[in-house]
Amino acid sequence: QVQLVESGGGVVQPGRSLRLSCEASGFTFSDYGMHWVRQAPGKGLEWVAATSYDGSNKNHADSVKGRFAISRDNSKNTLYLQMNSLRAEDTAVYYCAKKTAGSSFNCPDYWGQGTLVTVSS
Amino acid sequence: QSALTQPASVSGSPGQSITISCTGTSSDVGSYNFVSWYQQHPGKAPKLMIYEGIKRPSGLSNRFSGSKSGNTASLTISGLQADDEADYYCCSYAGSTTWVFGGGTKVTVL
Repeated sequence: QVQLVESGGGVVQPGRSLRLSCEASGFTFSDYGMHWVRQAPGKGLEWVAATSYDGSNKNHADSVKGRFAISRDNSKNTLYLQMNSLRAEDTAVYYCAKKTAGSSFNCPDYWGQGTLVTVSS
Repeated sequence: QSALTQPASVSGSPGQSITISCTGTSSDVGSYNFVSWYQQHPGKAPKLMIYEGIKRPSGLSNRFSGSKSGNTASLTISGLQADDEADYYCCSYAGSTTWVFGGGTKVTVL
């Protein structure tokens, strides 16, 4: 079955960097686009970034553009999110999610359990 | 990239049907059939309930159904059950390799 396991979260000071990882199993990782989605405490879901199956096409939400970067290593079945210049408003649970099969325009289907990032001095 | 608009809360009695709306614009919901719906219980990851506007994942109860009219997508839950009490979110493709979520709706089973 599809498994997505995020890691790399923690407490970080404003302005510092953090890299999240998401290890995938149970499906052919290199065949699917992937998303990062976040959820601030007590708030709703916010799309953060997405990448195509081969990493050639990617985009980021305006709220993180220029600070965050999504990437993938298909040889390691792993998705990454490099987060730089972190702000307090980036505090959230970050979910890795697989794109629904069928179209590259699809929202996610399977989600990991999330990793908490807390930006605080 | 403004969030899609959902009602903050919807409630119903066991056995009843409820409908949750998700209103976007002609740049997202109105232009694409790539709308998904998710159920999220407290402390858990979201679970896909509907994708491409009307399709149910394999094995999911047919009590959940999706539809779309113009810039508004809808999720209907029929035969409401206690376990349906959760937060529900919509998601839509918004063009130019971007996606947008709704603000979420809390469903309460009375």
